[in-house]
Amino acid sequence: SQQGEEDPQALSIQEGENATMNCSYKTSINNLQWYRQNSGRGLVHLILIRSNEREKHSGRLRVTLDTSKKSSSLLITASRAADTASYFCATYDNNNDMRFGAGTRLTVKP
Amino acid sequence: DADVTQTPRNRITKTGKRIMLECSQTKGHDRMYWYRQDPGLGLRLIYYSFDVKDINKGEISDGYSVSRQAQAKFSLSLESAIPNQTALYFCATSDLLGEVQGGYEQYFGPGTRLTVT
Repeated sequence: SQQGEEDPQALSIQEGENATMNCSYKTSINNLQWYRQNSGRGLVHLILIRSNEREKHSGRLRVTLDTSKKSSSLLITASRAADTASYFCATYDNNNDMRFGAGTRLTVKP
Repeated sequence: DADVTQTPRNRITKTGKRIMLECSQTKGHDRMYWYRQDPGLGLRLIYYSFDVKDINKGEISDGYSVSRQAQAKFSLSLESAIPNQTALYFCATSDLLGEVQGGYEQYFGPGTRLTVT
């Protein structure tokens, strides 16, 4: 069964706008990670946030984590057409178990 | 050159056939994984291995087997393929970062698109 569930399933925005994707999970985690997948290709790691962290930045990416609500968000600022991809959250728990969500499909229109 | 390679990249096979998917990595990581991806379901873990002598079942191991021939090689076999094993298969590697709360990122291969007719 999946641990993370992304919301929305699909998101379409204009270039330059911000994109926000959310991830909810069910059990206690050690860390949460976000990955990107271009169509039909392997996933690429974007950012990892540990359970004792609340916010993390990497370039145009901002990730938040609320362990009390078991949720995380990924914000991509000033989006570009090249950001078009599917984005997955993945949770890693203390049993070395890593679970991926079903993903958010982001389309950025030029 | 890619750090994680998978062969074949595409394969069409018939029901009942045995098929092996291979994964090689040059990252020097101990941990290797096999996932399958189906539309709308994200990635599901089939098997994983933390070193050459370690094999663990994942969420959906039925119908699959694996072999860790060396640190750099991890193969996935479908002993008797069935149509619902049609999917995109990914190999991944990771290395424990070693920080206090652990955690690691995974490096994925390009995937193998398998179709079972």
